[in-house]
Amino acid sequence: DGGITQSPKYLFRKEGQNVTLSCEQNLNHDAMYWYRQDPGQGLRLIYYSQIVNDFQKGDIAEGYSVSREKKESFPLTVTSAQKNPTAFYLCASSKIPGTYNEQFFGPGTRLTVL
Amino acid sequence: GQQLNQSPQSMFIQEGEDVSMNCTSSSIFNTWLWYKQDPGEGPVLLIALYKAGELTSNGRLTAQFGITRKDSFLNISASIPSDVGIYFCAGQLREQGAQKLVFGQGTRLTINP
Repeated sequence: DGGITQSPKYLFRKEGQNVTLSCEQNLNHDAMYWYRQDPGQGLRLIYYSQIVNDFQKGDIAEGYSVSREKKESFPLTVTSAQKNPTAFYLCASSKIPGTYNEQFFGPGTRLTVL
Repeated sequence: GQQLNQSPQSMFIQEGEDVSMNCTSSSIFNTWLWYKQDPGEGPVLLIALYKAGELTSNGRLTAQFGITRKDSFLNISASIPSDVGIYFCAGQLREQGAQKLVFGQGTRLTINP
């Protein structure tokens, strides 16, 4: 089945450690996105990528880094520079270009920093 | 940056009632999307709207793209227990060569049996 997978579902890390969240899609979508969700808030864009080996900062990129070495994969690293990393992280993908390029989401990774 | 005002923030209704929620913005969007999120899961796309004035249905769900392109509403008729969750609106616009989404804060729907 086509879809977006994120792993792991739950992740616990000690303060000061970098951690990498996985996102894979087999929808043959060109664009991939990372969002952060905090309780009671909407989704906020961290990074996005429209093509392999290229990505742009979103609204809250500080303390995060990404790579896009393959079309199917867009891992997110939460670095020790991120002041408040505990959150629910969502990966999404969409076809581009064109108007009909809705974003579809993965199941999310809940990161807790102890 | 762009902001979406989604209301109400929460709703407590009886099973079988109709539901209405909306999003407004000071910015113009070229697409409006409505998502539903269950606890601990990713949002699932419910309805996509592409033209100003467009009215689209998906089963018991109906959504409209406002004429001004700055607002949208979502209606759910005859609510059932599985409608419980958080509903998000999202406006899509083209910025720096990319299609980007701006999300509302969400409407949490609770249904009393």
